[in-house]
Amino acid sequence: DADVTQTPRNRITKTGKRIMLECSQTKGHDRMYWYRQDPGLGLRLIYYSFDVKDINKGEISDGYSVSRQAQAKFSLSLESAIPNQTALYFCATRPGRADYGYTFGSGTRLTVV
Amino acid sequence: AQSVTQPDIHITVSEGASLELRCNYSYGATPYLFWYVQSPGQGLQLLLKYFSGDTLVQGIKGFEAEFKRSQSSFNLRKPSVHWSDAAEYFCAVGARGDYKLSFGAGTTVTVRA
Repeated sequence: DADVTQTPRNRITKTGKRIMLECSQTKGHDRMYWYRQDPGLGLRLIYYSFDVKDINKGEISDGYSVSRQAQAKFSLSLESAIPNQTALYFCATRPGRADYGYTFGSGTRLTVV
Repeated sequence: AQSVTQPDIHITVSEGASLELRCNYSYGATPYLFWYVQSPGQGLQLLLKYFSGDTLVQGIKGFEAEFKRSQSSFNLRKPSVHWSDAAEYFCAVGARGDYKLSFGAGTTVTVRA
């Protein structure tokens, strides 16, 4: 099993629909992150969480919300999806030491039509 | 806040030739620096990282990178590329005491036979 699992892998949804992307990790790390990737823009941080009770906005949080259900689970929701939220979404986890890199999931490709 | 610039959007290199990918960062102190690789349809995999000490760091898959403080650069190199090195490469910077990474826009590498 992968260290960081994202579901679904691909999703097509309609404008205005609510959608949830899920992420679970088996690394035992406290810190979890949601990024979106757009061509030519790299990865941009949406939300991050240091533990179940500590959730923080990233640089592009508008239109998104998150839930940290447990140390191992971190979900991203689009309350009312819009076409410019079409992107590749990555979940990542990291231990408490800042000198460690992220472990990424395989991504969720979301298309909003 | 820290930021990363990858000046080259796309590089084409012949199999067996050398490869160098450029990365420039902006940060007031010594940062944590990372290179990640993303193969088609995959998540991001950590190639190497720099925190302190020797400015030439070795990574996986035969890659190395050199930290040059005077030039605010962390360029990635490989002496002889293989067709399997075709991928997108991301440079990332983290600030000490912070737990978020900022990513560059990425460089796509094409390997021709």
